[in-house]
Amino acid sequence: ETGVTQTPRHLVMGMTNKKSLKCEQHLGHNAMYWYKQSAKKPLELMFVYNFKEQTENNSVPSRFSPECPNSSHLFLHLHTLQPEDSALYLCASSQASEETQYFGPGTRLLVL
Amino acid sequence: AQSVTQPDIHITVSEGASLELRCNYSYGATPYLFWYVQSPGQGLQLLLKYFSGDTLVQGIKGFEAEFKRSQSSFNLRKPSVHWSDAAEYFCAVAAGDYKLSFGAGTTVTVRA
Repeated sequence: ETGVTQTPRHLVMGMTNKKSLKCEQHLGHNAMYWYKQSAKKPLELMFVYNFKEQTENNSVPSRFSPECPNSSHLFLHLHTLQPEDSALYLCASSQASEETQYFGPGTRLLVL
Repeated sequence: AQSVTQPDIHITVSEGASLELRCNYSYGATPYLFWYVQSPGQGLQLLLKYFSGDTLVQGIKGFEAEFKRSQSSFNLRKPSVHWSDAAEYFCAVAAGDYKLSFGAGTTVTVRA
């Protein structure tokens, strides 16, 4: 596959569940991002990783836990989420020295 | 901090007609500017970007955008829209710190 891929594409979970979102980029980039897209709101940057190191945590609640084992993979671990966390979660990647970001298709999350 | 305003929440245009989407930014220096498009259920696709040089930028799918420093604007245009252009369009700005700030988006509906 090419570009940025995300799995799963859709996820339904209860508030007591634990799940993980996966992102993989095939572009040779070294920076990766998690965004949250809620209805009628601008995209919210959640986390930034440069060369596997977290460089940005935009005041995200601890029930969201990112992990970046290498420059090609990014995970978002979810636990004890709230219904208001239902949203489209987008992953993006870029070269660490460039502003142009390339996005994956997103994971549509529904928390019941 | 930089910010982006997209004044139009929703635009309806006839197929074959021209389209212009407005974007205004707030930033002290010349920012890096982007337009992304999001089709239903999909991630964001980069249409075009402006970093420097010629203020009229050509992008994919027949889109162009013009940077006007005096108006702090970066409006997106297409001379003749196709039904497949129905989507949500996002303007974004980066202020040299590799973090994108997005506008709230403009939804484009194309009528036959």
